Amino acid sequence: ETGVTQTPRHLVMGMTNKKSLKCEQHLGHNAMYWYKQSAKKPLELMFVYNFKEQTENNSVPSRFSPECPNSSHLFLHLHTLQPEDSALYLCASSQRSAGEADTQYFGPGTRLTVL
Amino acid sequence: GQNIDQPTEMTATEGAIVQINCTYQTSGFNGLFWYQQHAGEAPTFLSYNVLDGLEEKGRFSSFLSRSKGYSYLLLKELQMKDSASYLCAVMDSNYQLIWGAGTKLIIKP
Repeated sequence: ETGVTQTPRHLVMGMTNKKSLKCEQHLGHNAMYWYKQSAKKPLELMFVYNFKEQTENNSVPSRFSPECPNSSHLFLHLHTLQPEDSALYLCASSQRSAGEADTQYFGPGTRLTVL
Repeated sequence: GQNIDQPTEMTATEGAIVQINCTYQTSGFNGLFWYQQHAGEAPTFLSYNVLDGLEEKGRFSSFLSRSKGYSYLLLKELQMKDSASYLCAVMDSNYQLIWGAGTKLIIKP
């Protein structure tokens, strides 16, 4: 059983819609991540939050806006998306001790389709 | 640039052994991870190697050679439930994971 939950599991939206993805981790971890997974492509890291502070933004378009109100919750706000943004969006968390390798634990993802 | 290579798809027979290879070129190395991902589900952690050699965990083993930039995941006594994608990822000098595109493993009866 994963300690990371994501809602919704599936989302269909038009290009003019605004929606939000939610992630919650129940593992007491300090770091949270958003990834994009497209078919037959490597996972693409989008954002990293460490102790609620954003530490990475890998050149993600501004139509994706993350929010981390506390170390257990992470949101991804979506607006004016493009059809090529259709993908599986995965959330992950890790203990994230500075200067140490740590294991990331993933949620089941939100399957997003942009029409 | 940074690169992780692994085969796109492999097929094996139930009860057999299969080896999934992964080669990498990254800026720095802080360990190599293997994850399993069933269709429509979360990637789940399988193994972590940071030193050369073989790590065994039940039916699954993972090998690392840092000098060759090479790892493999060995699955023994294959079961139908092992049908999944297997993701190789390397943690670079910035402690970020660099991912391969995954190997889809198909198990046939």
